[in-house]
Amino acid sequence: YELTQPPSVSVSPGQTARITCSGDALPNQYAFWYQQKPGQAPVLVITKDSERPSGIPERFSGSSSGTTVTLTISGAQTEDEADYYCQSADSSGDQRVFGSGTKVTVL
Amino acid sequence: EIYLVESGGGLVQPGRSLKLSCATSGLNFSASAIHWVRQAPGKGLEWVGRIRGKPNTYATAYAASVRGRFTISREDSENTAFLQMDGLKTEDTAVYYCTTLLESWGQGALVTV
Repeated sequence: YELTQPPSVSVSPGQTARITCSGDALPNQYAFWYQQKPGQAPVLVITKDSERPSGIPERFSGSSSGTTVTLTISGAQTEDEADYYCQSADSSGDQRVFGSGTKVTVL
Repeated sequence: EIYLVESGGGLVQPGRSLKLSCATSGLNFSASAIHWVRQAPGKGLEWVGRIRGKPNTYATAYAASVRGRFTISREDSENTAFLQMDGLKTEDTAVYYCTTLLESWGQGALVTV
């Protein structure tokens, strides 16, 4: 089972970045989004498709439509430059999988 | 606050074994699933496997790339999970994270094969 993400997204400061993640089981399995900066462990930014954990800025939001989930960064800031990964489960729920990651550049 | 700390990483020859530990605090450990995730140098995140908590009878699941070579276990009395890695291959070289797959992640342990 695979989750497909674009390799890179570029956005100007203050603009909106959208990262998609596609997978056949996504209509029936929650998606999670992580931000990872170089040399650091991943940080959960969206849980259960669209919920924002405590401490995550409001500019991060998630949505789901059919086999695609989307992470949106509204008003991107330079500190949002990072790799972003989606994660979900296959149709059985037993196997977890990560997307290949999307490098977000803010400049 | 929840903490996860991996230990046991290092340099190992192909074909040999290594065991990682994940010590936790602040977590309702016996009820929590613990996952292992790895990241090869310059590559993305790869789910390795998980062990569920006592309410789910400690069920395990593994990625196809490690099934039959890696074993995840836990000791609830010590709030610690383990990743036993046997028959290591050069492609297993990575930073290994233990995590709840939610907000809680360890800092990672480097394994070089």
